[in-house]
Amino acid sequence: NAGVMQNPRHLVRRRGQEARLRCSPMKGHSHVYWYRQLPEEGLKFMVYLQKENIIDESGMPKERFSAEFPKEGPSILRIQQVVRGDSAAYFCASSPISRATDTQYFGPGTRLTVL
Amino acid sequence: GESVGLHLPTLSVQEGDNSIINCAYSNSASDYFIWYKQESGKGPQFIIDIRSNMDKRQGQRVTVLLNKTVKHLSLQIAATQPGDSAVYFCAENILRGSRLTFGEGTQLTVNP
Repeated sequence: NAGVMQNPRHLVRRRGQEARLRCSPMKGHSHVYWYRQLPEEGLKFMVYLQKENIIDESGMPKERFSAEFPKEGPSILRIQQVVRGDSAAYFCASSPISRATDTQYFGPGTRLTVL
Repeated sequence: GESVGLHLPTLSVQEGDNSIINCAYSNSASDYFIWYKQESGKGPQFIIDIRSNMDKRQGQRVTVLLNKTVKHLSLQIAATQPGDSAVYFCAENILRGSRLTFGEGTQLTVNP
C-alpha cells in the first residue's frame, strides 16, 4: 500500500511565476490536508479538503493561494505570482475519515525555492 | 536526557540512554495528541498517539504521557539509538476538528 505521494519533490521558481504542487493521498483516503513548514519551524495548517470540497481553508493566505481536490486525480496546491517568502516545504497529509482521532499520514513534501 | 518545553529545542543523549522530549500544548479543548518524527529532508512520520481520556500509552520503545492539568505532553524513548536522531514534533487536535496544530519541535541527537 503506497503512502502519500507528492510531486515534484523539489521545485524552483522565479518571482512572479506560478507553482503547482500535487498530492495523491493514500489508497482509501478521501481527506487531504496541506501544511507549510518554514526552515527550522513546525508545520502550519493551510487547508483541508475532501473530494470536490474545501472544508477548512482558514490557514491559507487569502491571495495568490488556492487548492483543489477534484473527483479524479491528485489534490493541487497552486501558488500564483510567487514571492521569496513562499519558499518553504509544503507537506500533504491524508486520512480515511475526518474524526478527531484519525491519524494524518504525511507525504515526503515539496520543497519550493523562489529565486 | 530531557528537554524542557519549547525553550530548549535541542536534546543530546548517549546511545542506550533513555530520552524524554517535552511539549506544552496550548488549547485545553484539544482531544487528541500525536507525536511525529521528522528526519532531515523527509515528511513527518507518525510515532504514537493518545486521546485525552488517557494519561499514558506505550508503544515499542516509546511511551507518551499526558498531563491535562498542566497541559503537558511528553515522549519517552527507551534505549535511544542513532536512528532515533531526528526532530520530534507534538501535535494536537480538537474534537471534531481536523487541523493539527504542531509544536515547534525538538532536535534529538544520539551520540554513539
